[in-house]
Amino acid sequence: DAKTTQPPSMDCAEGRAANLPCNHSTISGNEYVYWYRQIHSQGPQYIIHGLKNNETNEMASLIITEDRKSSTLILPHATLRDTAVYYCIVRGGGSEKLVFGKGMKLTVNP
Amino acid sequence: GAVVSQHPSWVICKSGTSVKIECRSLDFQATTMFWYRQFPKQSLMLMATSNEGSKATYEQGVEKDKFLINHASLTLSTLTVTSAHPEDSSFYICSARSPGPQFFGPGTRLTVL
Repeated sequence: DAKTTQPPSMDCAEGRAANLPCNHSTISGNEYVYWYRQIHSQGPQYIIHGLKNNETNEMASLIITEDRKSSTLILPHATLRDTAVYYCIVRGGGSEKLVFGKGMKLTVNP
Repeated sequence: GAVVSQHPSWVICKSGTSVKIECRSLDFQATTMFWYRQFPKQSLMLMATSNEGSKATYEQGVEKDKFLINHASLTLSTLTVTSAHPEDSSFYICSARSPGPQFFGPGTRLTVL
């Protein structure tokens, strides 16, 4: 599975949009981009995933660049409860595993 | 999203005893279940992958005789930590999927004294 690169941390003001970047320059054509988040001492929470088209659900939007080498997770109106470690993970179509990297700590400030 | 439960949420045991952790998918049938371990201030590490009715596939470095995994049905997988020692103290998290994303349980905090 392709590796991903995320900044270690990011701050965001409450009520503002949080744009979380992820680089996955070695992604293959059949690999999906998944986003999860983990709030302290809890299991990870699924947010969204996509292959090449932009995706939106009730939690977030996922924007994948045309060359698929990077993506951005957008939380449209961040709240204090969105403070968590966010993981961007690339998973191949033929592989079931999710391999977690270090993730990115998002802190939403009042 | 789909719901995955774990039981117990925390357990304290004496060194040398065995501990069983249950993972259930509550509202879907999971073709595959996964077990992860997380040490403080570290990321999740995949321990093993299991499919219903077949033997689990363990990641390199994970002792299959120490961490026994049983995936007896499409909604239940168990992880048994045998002869637990203090270094096995960790946060154990399961996940489950049918075709689609993995959904994670809330985790089980194991402390071995």
